[in-house]
Amino acid sequence: DAGVIQSPRHEVTEMGQEVTLRCKPISGHDYLFWYRQTMMRGLELLIYFNNNVPIDDSGMPEDRFSAKMPNASFSTLKIQPSEPRDSAVYFCASRDIDYNEQFFGPGTRLTVL
Amino acid sequence: LAKTTQPISMDSYEGQEVNITCSHNNIATNDYITWYQQFPSQGPRFIIQGYKTKVTNEVASLFIPADRKSSTLSLPRVSLSDTAVYYCLVGGIMYSGGGADGLTFGKGTHLIIQP
Repeated sequence: DAGVIQSPRHEVTEMGQEVTLRCKPISGHDYLFWYRQTMMRGLELLIYFNNNVPIDDSGMPEDRFSAKMPNASFSTLKIQPSEPRDSAVYFCASRDIDYNEQFFGPGTRLTVL
Repeated sequence: LAKTTQPISMDSYEGQEVNITCSHNNIATNDYITWYQQFPSQGPRFIIQGYKTKVTNEVASLFIPADRKSSTLSLPRVSLSDTAVYYCLVGGIMYSGGGADGLTFGKGTHLIIQP
């Protein structure tokens, strides 16, 4: 397996634009997680899914953020409209139901000007 | 949620043993302790997990005292490549519909290994 795949790896956009981050989890994993990492706040959980269903989105900062998982092999995190304070590295991770080990993707570095 | 406290940074030298301690005073009975490692520009990577006493794998050892209110990650004979951020997480095994325990990474411990 190629591991967790994220795209794009880097994105630079202007304030007010819509941003869509994509994630392909490891095949067969039941859980998918979205995290955000900044120097100030460290690595924060935004939302996670179990069998494509959102379980806990309490970490989503505000209504500008939304996440979907239309099927077991694809998830998106959307920011609309984007703001400079959204600049961060966004990680996607997946996990098998029977184990606590999360497998992280390479991350998407987002810069909002 | 069980909260963890770990040092912000540590430094050591190549060939030394490094111990990073994590405090988790309100750990619950069904909570496990998990450590991750993160290199710059990469996502975190699982290192080791334990419930009590001692766990050892090819990378590290994890020491957990009887009261489980703390744990120590031990890295034997570190090298420059062990320079990374290390995260301690505490939470239960997540089954279907379970909560977000064990998913709080925080800022971790920045370990710097010098030659």
